[in-house]
Amino acid sequence: GAVVSQHPSRVICKSGTSVKIECRSLDFQATTMFWYRQFPKQSLMLMATSNEGSKATYEQGVEKDKFLINHASLTLSTLTVTSAHPEDSSFYICSARDGQIPTNTEAFFGQGTRLTVV
Amino acid sequence: DAKTTQPNSMESNEEEPVHLPCNHSTISGTDYIHWYRQLPSQGPEYVIHGLTSNVNNRMASLAIAEDRKSSTLILHRATLRDAAVYYCILREYNFNKFYFGSGTKLNVKP
Repeated sequence: GAVVSQHPSRVICKSGTSVKIECRSLDFQATTMFWYRQFPKQSLMLMATSNEGSKATYEQGVEKDKFLINHASLTLSTLTVTSAHPEDSSFYICSARDGQIPTNTEAFFGQGTRLTVV
Repeated sequence: DAKTTQPNSMESNEEEPVHLPCNHSTISGTDYIHWYRQLPSQGPEYVIHGLTSNVNNRMASLAIAEDRKSSTLILHRATLRDAAVYYCILREYNFNKFYFGSGTKLNVKP
């Protein structure tokens, strides 16, 4: 199957700083990518939809100024957690679908990024 | 987003079949049924999906009830590597978002 890669896999940052997480589709073009957050022992929660060349759309209750999303190319989306606080510590996961295959209904997920804010 | 209901946890013996149920009584006619699984500290992995007919692939089988209000993921011979949280998700046709429910944590005993 297609590969989605996230970087970094783990990051520790100080409270008040910003952290950028990258999500790349390695062998396909992704016009749409998705960002999820997962707290310990909980399910994945969809945060936002990242659209190449346009603004991201955020799920209800997700602060767009807190979680900045940029999807500047067909293979890269970035999530920046601004002014991070300990409560932002979580497992962040991205997913993407191959936009060149209209009938493709799979979503491919990255391996996740463990963010710890101290 | 249509909701799914799954048991919180299930247990199986290694090399025995496992049937993971999912109820989705509010499913609409164009919703696809997807199954993903997640190992600890990893992103979800695609397992199988279907619309109306039963589906088979190298990983599993998906049995869909005739009224589509429930489905069952079948692992034919569970291995220790199949221990994971299994998510049953409904996806609207031509709509790419996945909303995850709570999933079923499968424990496989040697």
